[in-house]
Amino acid sequence: EIVLTQSPGTLSLSPGERATLSCRASQSVSSSYLAWYQQKPGQAPRLLIYGASSRATDIPDRFSGSGSGTDFTLTISRLEPEDFAVYYCHQYGSSPCTFGHGTKVEVK
Amino acid sequence: QVQLQESGPGLVKPSETLSLTCAVAGYSISDGYCWGWIRQPPGKGLEWIGSFYHSKSTYYNPSLKSRIAISVDTSKNQFSLKLSSVTAADTAVYYCARQSFVWGTYRPLQFEFWGQGTLVTVSS
Repeated sequence: EIVLTQSPGTLSLSPGERATLSCRASQSVSSSYLAWYQQKPGQAPRLLIYGASSRATDIPDRFSGSGSGTDFTLTISRLEPEDFAVYYCHQYGSSPCTFGHGTKVEVK
Repeated sequence: QVQLQESGPGLVKPSETLSLTCAVAGYSISDGYCWGWIRQPPGKGLEWIGSFYHSKSTYYNPSLKSRIAISVDTSKNQFSLKLSSVTAADTAVYYCARQSFVWGTYRPLQFEFWGQGTLVTVSS
């Protein structure tokens, strides 16, 4: 199965700053079938990005995804207070689909 | 707007079978899309359990395949998960979700809508 490694484990930033989260796959992710989710404490994950770079419905344009093959990035251009959360990448190009272990974006 | 709600016992004894149901509102399971189960042990990451497209295909995580069964009740617009021979390692929040799919192959894609999740603890 494809292993996804997310880095860094924790990102300490201030509101208004730019956040860059990395997701590296152990094998190439076919058709750029990679998604990003945001999860806040006590809540279910929320889909942000699918197909590596397509924003899900109602997701603000400060969230963007890029990458292909084995290297993918989620960028939050300017952090809002509600963006501090844990972010997971998810590959669904190969079965079983797998998730990264998450990057926590915390207030500096 | 699609809404999903998990239900089931919050406590299961070791070696017994965990049974959960996901009730769907706002969309008929039989009309399409893939539907799946995901779990998250306390303080840990996400693990896919299995998914299906009604009357077309079912996919299970190989690591759990020997212990899981997913079924559908279209009359109640709900689907269920059974996980047998549970141990403490199966303690987790269990989520159900709707997934997009690949036209023609009905292969599941990203998880679009999620239930709020239900915590299941395995303990005697």
